[in-house]
Amino acid sequence: EAGVAQSPRYKIIEKRQSVAFWCNPISGHATLYWYQQILGQGPKLLIQFQNNGVVDDSQLPKDRFSAERLKGVDSTLKIQPAKLEDSAVYLCASSLDPVSYNEQFFGPGTRLTVL
Amino acid sequence: GDSVTQMEGPVTLSEEAFLTINCTYTATGYPSLFWYVQYPGEGLQLLLKATKADDKGSNKGFEATYRKETTSFHLEKGSVQVSDSAVYFCALSDTTSGTYKYIFGTGTRLKVLA
Repeated sequence: EAGVAQSPRYKIIEKRQSVAFWCNPISGHATLYWYQQILGQGPKLLIQFQNNGVVDDSQLPKDRFSAERLKGVDSTLKIQPAKLEDSAVYLCASSLDPVSYNEQFFGPGTRLTVL
Repeated sequence: GDSVTQMEGPVTLSEEAFLTINCTYTATGYPSLFWYVQYPGEGLQLLLKATKADDKGSNKGFEATYRKETTSFHLEKGSVQVSDSAVYFCALSDTTSGTYKYIFGTGTRLKVLA
């Protein structure tokens, strides 16, 4: 079974530029999560989708971050414009549904550096 | 709100030493508890889980028991190997909000020396 795929793996941009990350969850997984992991910290949930609807985006900085999950499969996370403090690893995870033992499967992440 | 507190690292041990990584939590409901491991250059992988009080999760020689009375979920292994070197994250799943979102600790880096 293929795991969660993310691209790109690394991205370097200058502040005020825009950037987009892509995630393809495990086939059949209804729930998709985007996390931000700043160096030395644990992952922090940015947004959670159930199919193509948003379940929780309470910690998403909506003035600069946006995310969508068209057709309930792939998802993109965008930052526009980027700030220095957005430098982090962005992790995508998926699960069958929020309840079934709630095991989340994580992708390898995208490491973003904002200069 | 819910939170997870882990012991700070790095933890450096010799091969075959006993490992304990402390994890305590604060939650309003009855969370499920998890340990995830992140090997260098890889994504997080589920190591073990426990869904109710007194449950013991185990995998690859690692164990953790869900202690409701002390709100703890400490990770233990009797004899570590060099290949166990990684960052370990304790997490809880909020089961009362309807979202079941994870709250992670800050992670504990383990380095095992040959």
